[in-house]
Order: sequence, then structure tokens, then C-alpha cells
Amino acid sequence: DGGITQSPKYLFRKEGQNVTLSCEQNLNHDAMYWYRQDPGQGLRLIYYSQIVNDFQKGDIAEGYSVSREKKESFPLTVTSAQKNPTAFYLCASSPFSSSSGNTIYFGEGSWLTVV
Amino acid sequence: AQKITQTQPGMFVQEKEAVTLDCTYDTSDQSYGLFWYKQPSSGEMIFLIYQGSYDEQNATEGRYSLNFQKARKSANLVISASQLGDSAMYFCAMRENAGGTSYGKLTFGQGTILTVHP
Repeated sequence: DGGITQSPKYLFRKEGQNVTLSCEQNLNHDAMYWYRQDPGQGLRLIYYSQIVNDFQKGDIAEGYSVSREKKESFPLTVTSAQKNPTAFYLCASSPFSSSSGNTIYFGEGSWLTVV
Repeated sequence: AQKITQTQPGMFVQEKEAVTLDCTYDTSDQSYGLFWYKQPSSGEMIFLIYQGSYDEQNATEGRYSLNFQKARKSANLVISASQLGDSAMYFCAMRENAGGTSYGKLTFGQGTILTVHP
């Protein structure tokens, strides 16, 4: 089935540790994104990538890092510098074109809890 | 300033009735897109409907329709014949068309929790 796969679904991390969330898509989409969602809140953009080996900071990039070595993969690392990392993380992808109507598709999300 | 505003933290509707979820937006772009997503308790984001700023007709997708009032900068979601499975969080989002290309950078509102009563 085509789609976006995020893993793990649930992750616990000790303070001071880095953790990497996986995101893989087989939709052949050019663009990929990472969003963060806090309880009862909307989504905020962390990083996005339009093509392989290129990515840009979103609105809340501090304490996070990404890589885009392959078109289908866009892992997110939550570093120890992120002061409040407990949240729900959503990966998304979309075709890259000049149409503002291209739908962005989301994975099922990863819950990160710092203990 | 908030780019997307959803003023209703929670809404209740009786099964089989219609409900309107409000969304206002702020942009100086002429070309932009407006989206509605549904997020059930499982967390996944489900795309519902899209409206382009140049679309003259309101978008419709099954039981979902978008009441687009460009001059008022509002894009309200109307759900007709509500079902128990419609209970979820609903998000309005906007993609602004920066420099003629679209990077999928959606800006989200705070969401509205819809509860459908039997």
C-alpha cells in the first residue's frame, strides 16, 4: 500500500538523550515535512525538504535536526537541546509543484515522552 | 498575529443534523489554498476538503462543504447529516503561495473538537 510510515509509534526518552524518529514514504513525493503537535493544539512546522540533500527550518527548528539523503526518507532527530520535547510528531509529504492545491498527506504520528 | 483562527474550542451536534465549524485566515497573498483536516483520537490527520483562492465555487466533498467568503477571509466547514464517527478534532489550514511555487508549508489553526451526540 502507498503511504507514509512513521516509527516508532511510541517512544520514551531519558533527559539528555538524542532520539531519532523515522519517516518513510512510497508515494514518490518530492517534498517532506515534520510537524509537532502539543496536546489540544494545532500543528507547528519543524523542518521541511523539497528535494534530496536540501532542507529548510520551519517555525520551531531549534533543538531538532533532519537529513534527506534519499527521496523516500526524512528522519527527525530530537536532540538534548530541545527543552520540551514531549509531544506528538507528524511526518507529511506532498508533490512539489506550483499548485497551491497539492494535498499534503500525513503519517500516523509518533508519540515522544521524555521521562 | 494568528494566520488561521478557529474560535470554537468545542462544538456539539445531534446525530443527523448539520454543523458549521468556523475558520478565518489572514494573508496578503493573492494565491493561496485552504484545507480542512480531521484528526480522530488515534492521531492521524485525514484530509477532508480543499479550496483554492481563485476557485469561484465553494468546494464540496460528499457530506463536507466549504463556505468560502473571500472578502471576509473565512473558510467555514459545513458537515451535513452528522454521524457518530464525525466526532474528532478538526483543523483548518492554509498554504500560501510564496513566489509562485508551493512548498506545502501549511499553517494550522488551533482546532475545534466536534462531539456528535446520538
